[in-house]
Amino acid sequence: AQSVTQLGSHVSVSEGALVLLRCNYSSSVPPYLFWYVQYPNQGLQLLLKYTSAATLVKGINGFEAEFKKSETSFHLTKPSAHMSDAAEYFCAAAYNNNDMRFGAGTRLTVKP
Amino acid sequence: NAGVTQTPKFRVLKTGQSMTLLCAQDMNHEYMYWYRQDPGMGLRLIHYSVGEGTTAKGEVPDGYNVSRLKKQNFLLGLESAAPSQTSVYFCASMGHEQYFGPGTRLTVT
Repeated sequence: AQSVTQLGSHVSVSEGALVLLRCNYSSSVPPYLFWYVQYPNQGLQLLLKYTSAATLVKGINGFEAEFKKSETSFHLTKPSAHMSDAAEYFCAAAYNNNDMRFGAGTRLTVKP
Repeated sequence: NAGVTQTPKFRVLKTGQSMTLLCAQDMNHEYMYWYRQDPGMGLRLIHYSVGEGTTAKGEVPDGYNVSRLKKQNFLLGLESAAPSQTSVYFCASMGHEQYFGPGTRLTVT
């Protein structure tokens, strides 16, 4: 079965430090890939998406992700964390319109 | 545009009670989805619809029913609620990406 794995349910960084959230998908055919952010008591908001146009995808709020087919990975990064980045982040893979698989989520804490 | 809206925002049910969650979207999307979110499990697809009058089962459909009588609305029903259905429920519609509603927090005691 198709699946998405996020390594690390909790990540803590200091303000100004690099943010790296890891995501791996299981598939021989690269699907569409997404990163979503969820703030407390809110729905999911799209950060960025990969649709095969470019392997390095830039999103909102300074986030970017790199698709690596050889590693079946789609890790999310941000050079300098801000306090407002504290949230839960979900990686997702869409195998078709009816089959989007989500990772379990990574909660990002930003320390002052 | 309001995007995707969900009602109610919160609900507490007793075991065996029934309820309907309403999702509405104003983006004219064909595809709509219902997910449940549980700690440590991400989002799991309950049911989805590819257009008015059509519905299909997702990953975890047992105990739920859905209807899509109008293109803009997608209803999720629980006929006899169980404590295992305590969760946060999200509706989404699909354009070039999925747009999510704000969620419904359901507690079944």
